[in-house]
Amino acid sequence: DQQVKQNSPSLSVQEGRISILNCDYTNSMFDYFLWYKKYPAEGPTFLISISSIKDKNEDGRFTVFLNKSAKHLSLHIVPSQPGDSAVYFCAASADSGGSNYKLTFGKGTLLTVNP
Amino acid sequence: DTGVSQDPRHKITKRGQNVTFRCDPISEHNRLYWYRQTLGQGPEFLTYFQNEAQLEKSRLLSDRFSAERPKGSFSTLEIQRTEQGDSAMYLCASSLGWGAEETQYFGPGTRLLVL
Repeated sequence: DQQVKQNSPSLSVQEGRISILNCDYTNSMFDYFLWYKKYPAEGPTFLISISSIKDKNEDGRFTVFLNKSAKHLSLHIVPSQPGDSAVYFCAASADSGGSNYKLTFGKGTLLTVNP
Repeated sequence: DTGVSQDPRHKITKRGQNVTFRCDPISEHNRLYWYRQTLGQGPEFLTYFQNEAQLEKSRLLSDRFSAERPKGSFSTLEIQRTEQGDSAMYLCASSLGWGAEETQYFGPGTRLLVL
């Protein structure tokens, strides 16, 4: 049972345009969400996170939006650059005794940014 | 800050052999995690340590798997009597976990191939 779903296996955008990656979750106990980027043969690299008490978090070119009622979050990258081409994973965790630890990941979306 | 390191990066073994992987977390990170990633999937949680105590093990971690974190520093993951289904990328992550929100930082992974 996939608790975190990334329904688009791949996405292709032109350099300079906006990339929007989507993620849906089913577990209402999730309260902390993260996006990771992964290049081939490397481990996931942390990009940005958001707590369930917020609906938006921004860091440079990256913005994450959270819609709790829809159990949906999205990552916006503006402007997209060829170096952003990678697999993007959405991950979620639930508070357990005051701390979150176990991450549940989606299957990832392969983003290709064309020059 | 040298990040999370893992050794070896690649391991090829024959079915039935034992293998051991090592993870060195970011210094002063009190939490350490092991995940497994297979082709086309996101990382899946295996186990986690707070300092030297192993606090949770996933049902994915069969009795052929054992993990240790002596002295709360580096960790080892051993797989006994390897099977072809154990072929995967084994990822280690660490975090400084004291609050409800924490970010896990991943190492480059160890890719295991069981022939």
